[in-house]
Amino acid sequence: GIQVEQSPPDLILQEGANSTLRCNFSDSVNNLQWFHQNPWGQLINLFYIPSGTKQNGRLSATTVATERYSLLYISSSQTTDSGVYFCAASPGYTGGFKTIFGAGTRLFVKA
Amino acid sequence: NAGVTQTPKFQVLKTGQSMTLQCAQDMNHNSMYWYRQDPGMGLRLIYYSASEGTTDKGEVPNGYNVSRLNKREFSLRLESAAPSQTSVYFCASSLDGGVIDEQFFGPGTRLTVL
Repeated sequence: GIQVEQSPPDLILQEGANSTLRCNFSDSVNNLQWFHQNPWGQLINLFYIPSGTKQNGRLSATTVATERYSLLYISSSQTTDSGVYFCAASPGYTGGFKTIFGAGTRLFVKA
Repeated sequence: NAGVTQTPKFQVLKTGQSMTLQCAQDMNHNSMYWYRQDPGMGLRLIYYSASEGTTDKGEVPNGYNVSRLNKREFSLRLESAAPSQTSVYFCASSLDGGVIDEQFFGPGTRLTVL
């Protein structure tokens, strides 16, 4: 089945710094999402982005489906950005019914 | 509009006990999912329901059963709980998992099996 790998596994930033999180997937995908899991465990939808580029405030994401990767950009980081960022992908031949999550990038933003 | 709701929020069971986790969504979504998240890991799919009246196994179905009660509700049952099932359980829904599968998650149920 599809494999989803995220890097880096851990990241520590000073408040105000920028960062790029990466998600590689081993097969073509129909669906690609980015989530933020806050320190209370809640999963928050950031982007639904099977291809192309989207922006939402200080966050943006780009998926290059032909090269099997997606990037999440965080600019001017804030302490509230701390938590775990997951990407989740499902293979093109099954639609969304076999979604695979990466292991996540754990981000800590220092004040 | 509550989105996806789950009950209970916390539960402690003894080995061998049974319980049912409840999930409901009010977004008129067709597809629903149950995941588990173990410490330091991503989520793994237990079961899904593509549409009302259908259910199918995900990545880690052993030890679980599900029921799609109606379009809104999807329950997960542990018949004989084991310590290995200690985890956080998330329910999710999407409009149409077969094509466009933007999934929305509930707040989770933290289950401990002693």
